[in-house]
Amino acid sequence: GAGVSQSPSNKVTEKGKDVELRCDPISGHTALYWYRQSLGQGLEFLIYFQGNSAPDKSGLPSDRFSAERTGGSVSTLTIQRTQQEDSAVYLCASQLAGGGDTQYFGPGTRLTVL
Amino acid sequence: EDQVTQSPEALRLQEGESSSLNCSYTVSGLRGLFWYRQDPGKGPEFLFTLYSAGEEKEKERLKATLTKKESFLHITAPKPEDSATYLCAVLGYSTLTFGKGTMLLVSP
Repeated sequence: GAGVSQSPSNKVTEKGKDVELRCDPISGHTALYWYRQSLGQGLEFLIYFQGNSAPDKSGLPSDRFSAERTGGSVSTLTIQRTQQEDSAVYLCASQLAGGGDTQYFGPGTRLTVL
Repeated sequence: EDQVTQSPEALRLQEGESSSLNCSYTVSGLRGLFWYRQDPGKGPEFLFTLYSAGEEKEKERLKATLTKKESFLHITAPKPEDSATYLCAVLGYSTLTFGKGTMLLVSP
């Protein structure tokens, strides 16, 4: 079956512009995560959606970052007024039911802010 | 705060040369320890989940073990296709915490 997909695969933007990154989780998975992976760093948790519950936004680094999950499926991560330090690979993962279940990752979106 | 430390940061092996990767952790209430493999330009690919000390899991040339403070990923007679970054992550009371990974290069 289809895995987690993300788009675009690469995004180059200018400092100060807004960007939207998309994640399509595995069908039927109720949990969805966004992570950021910078060069030489581990995966940094950003935000977690579980079903219809309020999302866990505790990992968002600033109020320039936001995310939505529509209809319990597709998710969009928005970064407003991008800065050079936002350059990283943004990874999305989905999970069948949350908790200790396996997280399945998408290929990521490589964001470069010039 | 949950913490995960992986060592070494990088490891170079000859084909067939067995070795182990280490993942040391501190976590409030371990609910699971996960190993992932990540190839360049791709997302992490799930390998194993371990839930309690003493547990072991195997898959082809890989074997993961768990104690109360650390996990090892043993690689037996590695092949060049085993070259990748191996990530360890722990699940405590909240979200998954990842280590920075060990970059493994296996030369023919």
